[in-house]
Amino acid sequence: GAVVSQHPSWVICKSGTSVKIECRSLDFQATTMFWYRQFPKQSLMLMATSNEGSKATYEQGVEKDKFLINHASLTLSTLTVTSAHPEDSSFYICSASRSQGYQPQHFGDGTRLSIL
Amino acid sequence: AQSVAQPEDQVNVAEGNPLTVKCTYSVSGNPYLFWYVQYPNRGLQFLLKYITGDNLVKGSYGFEAEFNKSQTSFHLKKPSALVSDSALYFCAVRDENSGGGADGLTFGKGTHLIIQP
Repeated sequence: GAVVSQHPSWVICKSGTSVKIECRSLDFQATTMFWYRQFPKQSLMLMATSNEGSKATYEQGVEKDKFLINHASLTLSTLTVTSAHPEDSSFYICSASRSQGYQPQHFGDGTRLSIL
Repeated sequence: AQSVAQPEDQVNVAEGNPLTVKCTYSVSGNPYLFWYVQYPNRGLQFLLKYITGDNLVKGSYGFEAEFNKSQTSFHLKKPSALVSDSALYFCAVRDENSGGGADGLTFGKGTHLIIQP
């Protein structure tokens, strides 16, 4: 149980394009979803925390107008990278968790975003 | 503030030998501790967690970890390593007092575990 599906797994697009990444919890209700960014050979950097039905909480230094997050239901959160530029190229990973803080987060397989 | 340190960028172990991946943490209250494994171009897979209770926690794929409060450590261990254990391992922590709901975890920088045949 506790499967999280992330789509697409790989995106290559031109600079200036907006890209939407979906994160779905397939067999449980995720009150909270998280979006991380991972640079090569580095750890995960939390970008934002998303609670169903409310606005996402962004970490310091993350542009909320650049990285739009929507958590419309208990099983779906989306991250839209608007007007993407080459510096936005990265590996983006979502995770989902039930409400209690001691519950483990369950991760999607990540999305490799390459902006040309 | 909460933080995690994984002091080793890489750990090399011969197949069949025991392995240890080190993790120390810092929190103001009681810690919730987690270990995750990441294979290339994949997300993270949950291995095990410590919330409360027995200091020795057993998890997936034969891994275990020992919570040591006095040393603020949560080292990952396995008695006999397999080549397939080669991957990137992350330790993560959340402070029990960091608020309601599932707040984001703080991850260590990761340790590459390489198991040599």
